[in-house]
Amino acid sequence: DQQVKQNSPSLSVQEGRISILNCDYTNSMFDYFLWYKKYPAEGPTFLISISSIKDKNEDGRFTVFLNKSAKHLSLHIVPSQPGDSAVYFCAARSGGSNYKLTFGKGTLLTVNP
Amino acid sequence: GAVVSQHPSWVICKSGTSVKIECRSLDFQATTMFWYRQFPKQSLMLMATSNEGSKATYEQGVEKDKFLINHASLTLSTLTVTSAHPEDSSFYICSASAAYEQYFGPGTRLTVT
Repeated sequence: DQQVKQNSPSLSVQEGRISILNCDYTNSMFDYFLWYKKYPAEGPTFLISISSIKDKNEDGRFTVFLNKSAKHLSLHIVPSQPGDSAVYFCAARSGGSNYKLTFGKGTLLTVNP
Repeated sequence: GAVVSQHPSWVICKSGTSVKIECRSLDFQATTMFWYRQFPKQSLMLMATSNEGSKATYEQGVEKDKFLINHASLTLSTLTVTSAHPEDSSFYICSASAAYEQYFGPGTRLTVT
């Protein structure tokens, strides 16, 4: 049973436009959500996170939105740059779980020049 | 800050031999470290949670006698793949937790011939 789902395996956008990556979860105990960026043959790099008590967190070009009632979060990248091309993983953590993260399968973002 | 290193970055070994992978948190102390495995075009699969000074907690389906984990200090965890077989060939990634985030190492590519 996949508790964190990224239903789009890939996304292609034009440089300068907005990239929107989506993530859905099923476990209502999740209270903290993170986005990671990963290049091939490298470890994931932490991008941005959001606590369940918030509905938005912004850091530069990256904004994460959380809709708890829909169990949905999204990552917005504006403006998109070719260097943003990578696999993006959504991850979630439940309180008291010793920081164990549950990952989605990832979305490959390609930003075309 | 929050740098995690792994050594080696890649290793080739013969079937039946054992391989040790080190994971170090370079600029912070991590009471908890995690070991993941990633198959091609798949998500990160959590193998085990490693706590300093205690036995690791393995996820369901992961053989603890095959994947030996030791967390001897607050900055070092090791994963030993014992009696490696070609099906153990994979990309192994460790992470260390600091506050609410996990910081990942660059990964180790293991190829068993």
